[in-house]
Amino acid sequence: KAGVTQTPRYLIKTRGQQVTLSCSPISGHRSVSWYQQTPGQGLQFLFEYFSETQRNKGNFPGRFSGRQFSNSRSEMNVSTLELGDSALYLCASSRLARDTEAFFGQGTRLTVV
Amino acid sequence: AQKVTQAQTEISVVEKEDVTLDCVYETRDTTYYLFWYKQPPSGELVFLIRRNSFDEQNEISGRYSWNFQKSTSSFNFTITASQVVDSAVYFCALTPRHSGGSNYKLTFGKGTLLTVNP
Repeated sequence: KAGVTQTPRYLIKTRGQQVTLSCSPISGHRSVSWYQQTPGQGLQFLFEYFSETQRNKGNFPGRFSGRQFSNSRSEMNVSTLELGDSALYLCASSRLARDTEAFFGQGTRLTVV
Repeated sequence: AQKVTQAQTEISVVEKEDVTLDCVYETRDTTYYLFWYKQPPSGELVFLIRRNSFDEQNEISGRYSWNFQKSTSSFNFTITASQVVDSAVYFCALTPRHSGGSNYKLTFGKGTLLTVNP
């Protein structure tokens, strides 16, 4: 059974640019969540999608956005990149049901220079 | 608001020692889930355990055991006879258990870096 796949694994961008990260959930999983991990703030929830709808959103500026496609794959976009956006971005997938756990991908390491 | 505190930033032990990682949480929700994840250097968060707030039974899985005490809002994790492969960052996390399903809005602690030396 394939796990959660995130692409690309590493990315270097210049301040002011925008970036799109991709997440393919485990087959059959319909919920996808995104997290940002930095040394200073730790792991922080960005947003969660289910059936192409955003269900939850964390406390991040509007520069951070996402979407989910009909095949449950999800993308997140960060516009007007800032140095502080440098982080490991982790995606997690789960079945939307009671008593299930979320499985994480290996993340995308974004460096903004 | 939810909060998870892992007071131990780093722990270093020698192989075969037992080690306990502490986790204290705060939440206003009456029902919630608690989790432990392991993050090896590769970066992927590996799920270890989920505990419902209404299930205070302790759990043992091989060398791992968890002690959930609702009265003290703690969910501690013990590794017995630690091994070098246990070296990783361990995160405790919390999410409300809404009636609509498993909406994962995990609040994580800052993590504890465990180093097991041979």
